[in-house]
Amino acid sequence: KQEVTQIPAALSVPEGENLVLNCSFTDSAIYNLQWFRQDPGKGLTSLLLIQSSQREQTSGRLNASLDKSSGRSTLYIAASQPGDSATYLCAVLAGRRALTFGSGTRLQVQP
Amino acid sequence: KAGVTQTPRYLIKTRGQQVTLSCSPISGHRSVSWYQQTPGQGLQFLFEYFSETQRNKGNFPGRFSGRQFSNSRSEMNVSTLELGDSALYLCASSLDTNQETQYFGPGTRLLVL
Repeated sequence: KQEVTQIPAALSVPEGENLVLNCSFTDSAIYNLQWFRQDPGKGLTSLLLIQSSQREQTSGRLNASLDKSSGRSTLYIAASQPGDSATYLCAVLAGRRALTFGSGTRLQVQP
Repeated sequence: KAGVTQTPRYLIKTRGQQVTLSCSPISGHRSVSWYQQTPGQGLQFLFEYFSETQRNKGNFPGRFSGRQFSNSRSEMNVSTLELGDSALYLCASSLDTNQETQYFGPGTRLLVL
């Protein structure tokens, strides 16, 4: 059974700092890995999708990497801003076309 | 292009009642999935529909059911509501490949009293 773990569970940083969020998964037989952002009480916003054959994806200040063999992904956020404050979720898509989610990292960026 | 829409956004029900939630996917998307989010269990997969057929189902009791219409809109139904069914129910749509992003709606928040 696929399990996804995210560390840390919570993170507080001053504005402008670069930061890394970690995600690990137990079964490397995945189609892709997605990073999402969730604001309190809201739905999920897709940030980056990495196919199983890819190593990384970039969008603006965000960079996500994937090491399928070791079951790890990282989300790098450059020059953090207060507007980046949210919960970040990592999810893998495997057989059954069902996303398995981690429990998230709650990020607070202090002005 | 309009995003995934879900109605209603909020619901309050009492134990024993039933509820129906609706999801309209992004135009052209034929796959619709449902997820339940609770503070204790996080996000869990309920089921996925494609071309009016349920293709996959998560580990939820039979009280949870769904369907998909010919226009790809989907509904999920929960019968005999329990307090533990209080959650944010999220719908996601995607093209029918394993390489595509899943796009989520804003969710329906259900409170069971």
